[in-house]
Amino acid sequence: QKEVEQNSGPLSVPEGAIASLNCTYSDRGSQSFFWYRQYSGKSPELIMSIYSNGDKEDGRFTAQLNKASQYVSLLIRDSQPSDSATYLCAVRISSGSARQLTFGSGTQLTVLP
Amino acid sequence: NAGVTQTPKFRILKIGQSMTLQCTQDMNHNYMYWYRQDPGMGLKLIYYSVGAGITDKGEVPNGYNVSRSTTEDFPLRLELAAPSQTSVYFCASSYSRGRGEKLFFGSGTQLSVL
Repeated sequence: QKEVEQNSGPLSVPEGAIASLNCTYSDRGSQSFFWYRQYSGKSPELIMSIYSNGDKEDGRFTAQLNKASQYVSLLIRDSQPSDSATYLCAVRISSGSARQLTFGSGTQLTVLP
Repeated sequence: NAGVTQTPKFRILKIGQSMTLQCTQDMNHNYMYWYRQDPGMGLKLIYYSVGAGITDKGEVPNGYNVSRSTTEDFPLRLELAAPSQTSVYFCASSYSRGRGEKLFFGSGTQLSVL
């Protein structure tokens, strides 16, 4: 079982719709969860972090965390073509001697004008 | 505002050659990391450092070496390049590894081993 799993997509939504990106993780002791956005040919950039169960909103982005079910999601409201990118879920795994940040393989999102 | 600077941006190596990927940050961050990203995949941690003189292996360290002689610099050495090392390499830094950690990434190095 992969430590951090994401639907690889691609996911296509029309402009103005809500895009929903999902991520599951295997380590129950994980405490920190992040969403990075990566445009094609560019480096990842942090867009959201979440540490507690529930929702965290920042502009058009909402991160949702459910530790009991071991999933974290990212909602993008009023999707814009500029949101077209690959979204990487990252989880700080608590196991082992090194508490590493483990990335999922990413979900490619395309917002259609 | 330079942030994290990686050089070179592109490189083609022949099998068996060696090279060093350079990484410099000007944010006085303690933590630095090297990741590789294969096509359609997430980031895999190669090596990381928690400060000058301290380095440790990540998830995929075989075939690589690192050093950290200063806070600013964290070069990645590839010895005896192999086709399996064809990838995009990202250097990153962060102030701490606590809950509020945010990784700042360099622009990446696209490496092909032929």
